[in-house]
Parts: sequence; C-alpha cells; structure tokens
Amino acid sequence: GNSVTQMEGPVTLSEEAFLTINCTYTATGYPSLFWYVQYPGEGLQLLLKATKADDKGSNKGFEATYRKETTSFHLEKGSVQVSDSAVYFCALSVGAGNNRKLIWGLGTSLAVNP
Amino acid sequence: ETGVTQTPRHLVMGMTNKKSLKCEQHLGHNAMYWYKQSAKKPLELMFVYNFKEQTENNSVPSRFSPECPNSSHLFLHLHTLQPEDSALYLCASSPDKFGQETQYFGPGTRLLVL
Repeated sequence: GNSVTQMEGPVTLSEEAFLTINCTYTATGYPSLFWYVQYPGEGLQLLLKATKADDKGSNKGFEATYRKETTSFHLEKGSVQVSDSAVYFCALSVGAGNNRKLIWGLGTSLAVNP
Repeated sequence: ETGVTQTPRHLVMGMTNKKSLKCEQHLGHNAMYWYKQSAKKPLELMFVYNFKEQTENNSVPSRFSPECPNSSHLFLHLHTLQPEDSALYLCASSPDKFGQETQYFGPGTRLLVL
C-alpha cells in the first residue's frame, strides 16, 4: 500500500545548526511529494513540493530532493533559526483525477534553541 | 494570512451537547475538507466537498455531520461525542479536488469532549 515514514521527533537543535528530517515512502505509480509545516497555534502550510524524480523543491532555505532510487524525500536546511520551530509533515499524493489521495506522515517536531 | 478561518478556536463540550464548527475560505476555492489531527496519529481526512457536493466520507461516525451550503463555507455539526473525539479539527481548501495536494489550512478548532 501507500505510506509515508518520517523520523521520530522531537528534534532539538541550536540556532545555525544543520537540519535533516528523514522521510521515506512506499507508493504505486509516480507520486508527488510534499513537505508541510505547522507553526504553533496555526494550521498546516505547504513548504515545498516535487512532482517527479530528481526534482528539488525549495523554499525559505529548506530543500528536499525527490529520490526515486531510495524512495526518499529528506528535508534539509543549512542553518536553522528559532523561528523554524514547528512540526514538519511529509506527504505524498497518489492516484489520478477524482481518485487522487494525500497520504500523510506522523509529523516531526523541531525545536530550535537560541 | 492563510485565507481560511475557523471558529471557534477552542471548544469544550459535554457528551450530550450539540455544537457546530465553522470554516470559511476567502480564496475562491471550490473544494473544502475536514481533517482530524490527534497526537501520535497521521492526519485523518474526514470529509471532502467539491463544488458543494460531498465526494468523500472516510467512514466517519454519524455523530459528525458536515454541511456545505456554498463553496466558501463548511460546517461540522457535532452531537453526542465521545472523549476520544477530542482533537484538533482542521479545515482546508484547494482550487478543486483534482488539485488536492496544494491545500490551504485554517488554524483549527481545538476540541475537548468531557
């Protein structure tokens, strides 16, 4: 079946540290891959996405590359800030047309200390 | 500013109460969604509306009753809930159901059932 596996949190880092949040998936066909972020007290926001193999999504200093050979979409940022403290969700979409579905990971909580 | 608003932000209710959650989107989207977010669980899609028509009901108990009077408004009517229904209820919208992956979320209603 289709599934998304994220590394368990919480992840705690100091400001300016390098961030990696792992995400791997299983899916039939050719899924699109996404990272959403949920800041405290808010709903989810799309952070970045990639729609085909080898695509790199990027936004706000975050990057993730769609790796079909390793079925992964790891989120990275070179230098985190306190304002990056949030919960990060990896997701994939499968299917076509009216049967399209979004499959969500459990989320990884990130806390960045000054 | 996500363009999707939800009221109330917090709700405490007894198991015999009846209450309603409201969602409004100001983005001109045609598809709207209700999600349930519980700790340690993936995001659960509850209902999908596309052009005011319900297109998905993911085996949600009948004590949750959605209503979509127009493309901008979505309600979730609650009655005789159980304590395990306590969660964050998120509303989302997207241009149409075929573009389901690019969703815009509201801040959620934090529900506590006593």
